[in-house]
Amino acid sequence: DTAVSQTPKYLVTQMGNDKSIKCEQNLGHDTMYWYKQDSKKFLKIMFSYNNKELIINETVPNRFSPKSPDKAHLNLHINSLELGDSAVYFCASSYGLAGAGDTQYFGPGTRLTVL
Amino acid sequence: AQTVTQSQPEMSVQEAETVTLSCTYDTSESDYYLFWYKQPPSRQMILVIRQEAYKQQNATENRFSVNFQKAAKSFSLKISDSQLGDAAMYFCAYRGGAQKLVFGQGTRLTINP
Repeated sequence: DTAVSQTPKYLVTQMGNDKSIKCEQNLGHDTMYWYKQDSKKFLKIMFSYNNKELIINETVPNRFSPKSPDKAHLNLHINSLELGDSAVYFCASSYGLAGAGDTQYFGPGTRLTVL
Repeated sequence: AQTVTQSQPEMSVQEAETVTLSCTYDTSESDYYLFWYKQPPSRQMILVIRQEAYKQQNATENRFSVNFQKAAKSFSLKISDSQLGDAAMYFCAYRGGAQKLVFGQGTRLTINP
């Protein structure tokens, strides 16, 4: 009964390739997020969607494109992968925009390695 | 923009002892929430505790408690009776009106048996 799931958990690919990471939540949440954790463990927001609508786009290169087919899914597509894209990508979800206190629940992370 | 600072990159404690992890933040907002997340070697981000800024009472969750000093913009985490399973990276995080979590740099906690 995984609450927030991501696939794949590990992704190794060559520079220049295009890849996608999928995220699904079964918590009934309205808002989903993508965070990037770099090699120094620093976590930073990339995107947020509420009910399939983009609400946060945090100065991410346009090679990164999130797609939300429905409110339970938020996928991350990355074009023309670069070495610097190597990181752990976390999906998260929360109930919505009703106040700042919604706890965000995280998926297990996807470790992306670009060779 | 809000910032969160964890000034202790690494901490260690003897099993069964108490340890305090520090966190300070900067914001001009009055309504916000603060969180501590734990990231063990499994990589999973696990919520440890949360604090509402409008509440003066410090949050507690079993062996975990916080010391929230709003005026000083300080939010430290105290772990009592440390256990081997507490070994992990600990992240302090802020969430205000922008709805996104802003994280500190993390503190790696080692538990010595």
